[in-house]
Amino acid sequence: AQSVSQHNHHVILSEAASLELGCNYSYGGTVNLFWYVQYPGQHLQLLLKYFSGDPLVKGIKGFEAEFIKSKFSFNLRKPSVQWSDTAEYFCAVNALGDMRFGAGTRLTVKP
Amino acid sequence: GAVVSQHPSRVICKSGTSVKIECRSLDFQATTMFWYRQFPKKSLMLMATSNEGSKATYEQGVEKDKFLINHASLTLSTLTVTSAHPEDSSFYICSARDLGFGGYTFGSGTRLTVV
Repeated sequence: AQSVSQHNHHVILSEAASLELGCNYSYGGTVNLFWYVQYPGQHLQLLLKYFSGDPLVKGIKGFEAEFIKSKFSFNLRKPSVQWSDTAEYFCAVNALGDMRFGAGTRLTVKP
Repeated sequence: GAVVSQHPSRVICKSGTSVKIECRSLDFQATTMFWYRQFPKKSLMLMATSNEGSKATYEQGVEKDKFLINHASLTLSTLTVTSAHPEDSSFYICSARDLGFGGYTFGSGTRLTVV
């Protein structure tokens, strides 16, 4: 069965630091990849998605992610985080028609 | 963009009663909707896939008779938690896929508390 792994459970950064959140999946076929963000007290929002084409995907709020097929990875990056980026981030994979989520990474940005 | 409306946002019920949660796609048709449960400090877990006009597909370990799913139209799916118990207290989220949008849109979630 397909699975999604997010190895960083809690990341604490200072403002202006660079961010990279890891995401690996286990499915070997064609996949659609997503990163979602859940701000405190709010519902899930789509940050970015990859279906095909350029493996470097740019999303909202300065986030980007790179699909590396050989590594089964889709890591999320942001060059300079802000306090407002404090949230929970979920990587998700759609391979067989439904969505599987990683465990989530809680990002805390200190002002 | 695609909008999914989920109601209620919060509900408190007594043990043994049933609770119905609605998930509506407001500006698109969704032949398939998904129901997730989010445990505290854990990720979303897919409970079931709701298919319009047919039976839902449940994930392993999810009780079909306890979590009743009905997808009677292309814009509405409902999840009914029957004979609720305190351990059913959780955050339930639905999502639907809008083929035009190319992704999955989530409802705002329902916080269920069983007392």
